[in-house]
Parts: sequence; C-alpha cells; structure tokens
Amino acid sequence: AQSVTQLDSHVSVSEGTPVLLRCNYSSSYSPSLFWYVQHPNKGLQLLLKYTSAATLVKGINGFEAEFKKSETSFHLTKPSAHMSDAAEYFCVVSDSGYQKVTFGTGTKLQVIP
Amino acid sequence: SAVISQKPSRDICQRGTSLTIQCQVDSQVTMMFWYRQQPGQSLTLIATANQGSEATYESGFVIDKFPISRPNLTFSTLTVSNMSPEDSSIYLCSVEGILGSQETQYFGPGTRLLVL
Repeated sequence: AQSVTQLDSHVSVSEGTPVLLRCNYSSSYSPSLFWYVQHPNKGLQLLLKYTSAATLVKGINGFEAEFKKSETSFHLTKPSAHMSDAAEYFCVVSDSGYQKVTFGTGTKLQVIP
Repeated sequence: SAVISQKPSRDICQRGTSLTIQCQVDSQVTMMFWYRQQPGQSLTLIATANQGSEATYESGFVIDKFPISRPNLTFSTLTVSNMSPEDSSIYLCSVEGILGSQETQYFGPGTRLLVL
C-alpha cells in the first residue's frame, strides 16, 4: 500500500521569503515521487520528480525537493517566493512501473505582496 | 468535496482494440481533465472536457485516438482507440471543485491499462 500526506492544506508567505511545502509518503516499493503545480483553470504542470537518482532534485521555476528516506519525506522548497508561484501544489507517489499512483490532497500557496 | 469514480479500475487489452474509461463525479462540475501516466513517466494532460463543447486536446493528442464524451455535468468518458503497447498507462480523470471556500482539484483513482 502507498499513501502521501501533504501536511498543510494552505500556506501563506510574503513575496521574497522562502517557501516550504511538506510531503510525507509511504510505499511498499521503491517509489517515484513528483511535485505538480496547478494554476487556476490550468492543467497540472510537473515541477520535478525523483526516481532513485540524486536525492536533491531541482525543478523548474527555482523549486527543489529533497528525498529523505529515513524521514519518508519529499518536501518542496524555494528560496524566494514570487507572486506567480501562487497556485496549488500536489505531491504524488508512484510505485515502480505503473502499478499505482497516489495523489496528495494539495497545498494551496498564497503569496502576499 | 468531490468524489470521483472510474471504471474500469484496471484492464488488460489486446493490441488493436479500444477501451472506454468512464469517470463519474458526485457533483456537477464544469471542467473535467483527462491525464495519463506512462510507466516511469510523469503525468501528462490529454485533454480538457467542458460540458456542451468539444474537448480541447493537448499537443500530441488527437480526437481520433482519444475521443472524449461529456454528456452532462457529472460524467465523462475517454476512449483509447486502436490500442498499442505504448498506450499502457494509468489514465486519470480529475475535476475542479470547491473545498471550503477555495477551488481545488480532485482526482479519480485511475484506470490501469495494460496493452499486450
């Protein structure tokens, strides 16, 4: 069985301050982990993915995430928030192959000017 | 919140056949999305389906291969036509809905398709 938990449904930061979106997972297999972003009225966009290579994964728009097996975490970070980062973010875990994909419930990021 | 069900949950199909995946939502929604995730790949948006209009397909996806129906505000189907092994994927539908006072995205459980 696998699951993913996004610990915060809503995060609010000031423009120019760091962003931290938390994600914990459980998986019986070696997981692939993804972060997606969805802007209003848009489809999902892949930010980054971890597939058992480097544990620190760099994605688009300055985002990165670190896979920590001991903590079963895959938190998403960005050093400095931009107004355009305001969106909903989804953490996703996938078994090896395509056996199952599980989505987190999403974290809505608000960026305050 | 929105509860989404998909049928079938999984299937194994022969090359050259077609499979129709159903997506049912427990509330009325305007926008429905169809995605696929191929083995080892990230999620890819196939099309956006709004009730009462033609589906909008993303680059690389065409209506002849992935016809979509959206007969009402709670239901949609995606057909994978003339299947090949490369179509083996998880197919997911999703909808936008309201959680509390905010819009968010809900996902179906997915349909796991294996094409032999």
